[in-house]
Amino acid sequence: GEDVEQSLFLSVREGDSSVINCTYTDSSSTYLYWYKQEPGAGLQLLTYIFSNMDMKQDQRLTVLLNKKDKHLSLRIADTQTGDSAIYFCAEKGSGGYNKLIFGAGTRLAVHP
Amino acid sequence: NAGVTQTPKFRVLKTGQSMTLLCAQDMNHEYMYWYRQDPGMGLRLIHYSVGEGTTAKGEVPDGYNVSRLKKQNFLLGLESAAPSQTSVYFCASSYSIGAGTGELFFGEGSRLTVL
Repeated sequence: GEDVEQSLFLSVREGDSSVINCTYTDSSSTYLYWYKQEPGAGLQLLTYIFSNMDMKQDQRLTVLLNKKDKHLSLRIADTQTGDSAIYFCAEKGSGGYNKLIFGAGTRLAVHP
Repeated sequence: NAGVTQTPKFRVLKTGQSMTLLCAQDMNHEYMYWYRQDPGMGLRLIHYSVGEGTTAKGEVPDGYNVSRLKKQNFLLGLESAAPSQTSVYFCASSYSIGAGTGELFFGEGSRLTVL
């Protein structure tokens, strides 16, 4: 079945770059997403990439998509303490109706 | 613009009790969803609705019922709560297919504990 996998924890020093990785199984996914969840809050869309793109850059965020390996990554440049959160990778499931398949989430801890 | 609002935000139940979580959205979205979030498991889809009066099962529907009597509201019911239903529940909504990127807009979550 459809599955999205990502590592559970990442710790980085403030000012360094963070790279969060994700693998997915549904090669027909049209969109892939990164959501951010801050403590005690719901998920908010951080960025997305359409399946016909290899890279998308948005200020400090860079998304890389390797369709051959079904691998998605999110790079955060100059990571700040405000970036501490849980980051979820998600793919649009094959069942339609915008049903998203989420990974378990990567908890990013930024330390001074 | 309130977006997606969930009530209540916290609830403690005893095993066997029933309750209803209410989700309301003011964005005129066609699609609405209920997910549960458990540690290490991400979000799993419980039920969803693609329009007023329609509902469908997601990945983990057992023990839950839903209703969408009005377009803006999506209710999640637990008829006989079990400890395994202790979780954080998120409601989300989105535009219908063909309108936008399929982004889901989430509420702030409802933390349910079943003793």
